[in-house]
Amino acid sequence: ETGVTQSPTHLIKTRGQQVTLRCSSQSGHNTVSWYQQALGQGPQFIFQYYREEENGRGNFPPRFSGLQFPNYSSELNVNALELDDSALYLCASSGGGSTNTEAFFGQGTRLTVV
Amino acid sequence: QQQVKQSPQSLIVQKGGIPIINCAYENTAFDYFPWYQQFPGKGPALLIAIRPDVSEKKEGRFTISFNKSAKQFSLHIMDSQPGDSATYFCAAARYGNKLVFGAGTILRVKS
Repeated sequence: ETGVTQSPTHLIKTRGQQVTLRCSSQSGHNTVSWYQQALGQGPQFIFQYYREEENGRGNFPPRFSGLQFPNYSSELNVNALELDDSALYLCASSGGGSTNTEAFFGQGTRLTVV
Repeated sequence: QQQVKQSPQSLIVQKGGIPIINCAYENTAFDYFPWYQQFPGKGPALLIAIRPDVSEKKEGRFTISFNKSAKQFSLHIMDSQPGDSATYFCAAARYGNKLVFGAGTILRVKS
């Protein structure tokens, strides 16, 4: 088991609503990345936070936003939920900042939009 | 240019066999190539990773082979066991762990 924890584990929301997902990074890690994994597909990079600043973003619309706190935990916010947002949302923590080091994933939050 | 192509989509081997999963990439700026294992309902778990300055890396029963000129890398699982049945993802990153994942390979090891 990694030291990365995500909450909640499961969530059901209605189209048009807003959702906040949370991630606690592994001790000593200052970088948190969020990924979306649709059923049967590989994870897709949403964005990354390094020392409380956004440090890169994938091909996701602005209604996907995030925060990183001084203790390096992070939130992913999604506004105006769409049915296609139904997926497993994964948080990964790493300690490298701009360098590549091992990235460890949490167990994910399964979001269902109805 | 950001894609990582993974094959096969699924694979069935007998216990003790050596499944091989292949990945190809286009972006020559990638400098980090990890493999992840994912069980249903769980997050991906890091298995092994390689950088382009070496051609092979072994950790336990898992081996990565890396061919920089062909822009390909592969995962070999020695003496495969039923407990290895899972989905395997290759990935690549240029810097900062912004991972680009392959589509995944569903491995089933028959006992």
